[in-house]
Order: sequence, then C-alpha cells, then structure tokens
Amino acid sequence: AQSVTQPDIHITVSEGASLELRCNYSYGATPYLFWYVQSPGQGLQLLLKYFSGDTLVQGIKGFEAEFKRSQSSFNLRKPSVHWSDAAEYFCAVDSGNQFYFGTGTSLTVIP
Amino acid sequence: DAGVIQSPRHEVTEMGQEVTLRCKPISGHNSLFWYRQTMMRGLELLIYFNNNVPIDDSGMPEDRFSAKMPNASFSTLKIQPSEPRDSAVYFCASSVGAGSPLHFGNGTRLTVT
Repeated sequence: AQSVTQPDIHITVSEGASLELRCNYSYGATPYLFWYVQSPGQGLQLLLKYFSGDTLVQGIKGFEAEFKRSQSSFNLRKPSVHWSDAAEYFCAVDSGNQFYFGTGTSLTVIP
Repeated sequence: DAGVIQSPRHEVTEMGQEVTLRCKPISGHNSLFWYRQTMMRGLELLIYFNNNVPIDDSGMPEDRFSAKMPNASFSTLKIQPSEPRDSAVYFCASSVGAGSPLHFGNGTRLTVT
C-alpha cells in the first residue's frame, strides 16, 4: 500500500539557519509528489510539486525539494529560514487516484 | 479566483444535533475532497468526488456521516447525530483531476459539547 513517512514530528531551527524536512514515500511507480504548509487556523497551501523531469523543484517562499528515486525521498529544503516559516509542513503523494499525506512536521523558528 | 470556500468557519453544537458543513470548490475543478484533521489522527480523507459522483467513501467513519455533491459548485458534509468525538477541523479541497494539486479551503472547526 502507498504511504508517506515524515520521520520528524517537530524541528526547531534558528532564524537564518538552513532547513531540511524529510519525506519518504512508498509507491511502486514514480508518483506525483507535493509539499504543503499549514499556518495556524488556515488550510494547507501548496509549496511545490514534482511530476517529472528535473528532480530539483523550486517552490514558493524560497523552498525547494529534491526527488531521489533511489531513496524514495522528497526532502524539502530552504537555505535560510525566516520567522514567518514557523508552521506545519506536510508531504503528500498522489498515486493517480488518491492523495496520501504524511503526519506532518511542526517547525519552530527561534530568533 | 476566490479559492475553495467553506462555511461556517466555526461551529459549536451539542451532542445529538445535526451539523452541516458546506463547501464551494474552485470553478472548473472536477474533483472534491473532504478531510478531517485532529491532533491524534492527523489528516484523514473522508470522501472524494469526481464530476459530482462519490468515488471513495471508505474514510467516512460511520453512518452518521454523509456527503453530497448536488452540482459542480457545491458540496455538503452532514453529521447526524453529532458526538463529542466528531470535534475536529474539517477541510474541503478541490482539484482539476488526478495528478493535480489539491487546493484547500480554510476549514470548519467543529466543536461538539
């Protein structure tokens, strides 16, 4: 069965530091991959998506993610975190007929 | 583009009452999803529709839950009777179809006392 794993429940980084949020998926073929961000009291907002082609994809707010087929991973990165990036981040996989979300990683940014 | 619109934003009701949540998807989107989010269980897919037809309702927890999509621009999720364990944030999302990103509404926070 398809699944998405986000091994880090909570991460704390200092403002200006780099960030990497991990995501691993289980799926037989190359899936459609997404990262979403959720601020308190809000719905999920799409950060970026991977369908095919270049394995490094750029998203909004300075985020990027790299698809690594050999590792079944789609990690989210940002070179310099801003205080406004504090939120919940969700990785998602679309198998073509259903979306699967990870359990989320909560990001805290300290001054 | 107004995005996915959900109403109400907050709903507080007593156990046993009927609750109806509403969703207006983005115009032109053919797929509509209802999710429930809680601290304990995270995001759970309840049901999704393609072209107004329910495709998979295996996530609907009990017969107390029902969802309809009478036309392409409107969907409802009904809980009757409601119970305290139904307290959660309910999200509606829409997309143009398989392989496309989901666009989420801001959710309805339901509290059942």
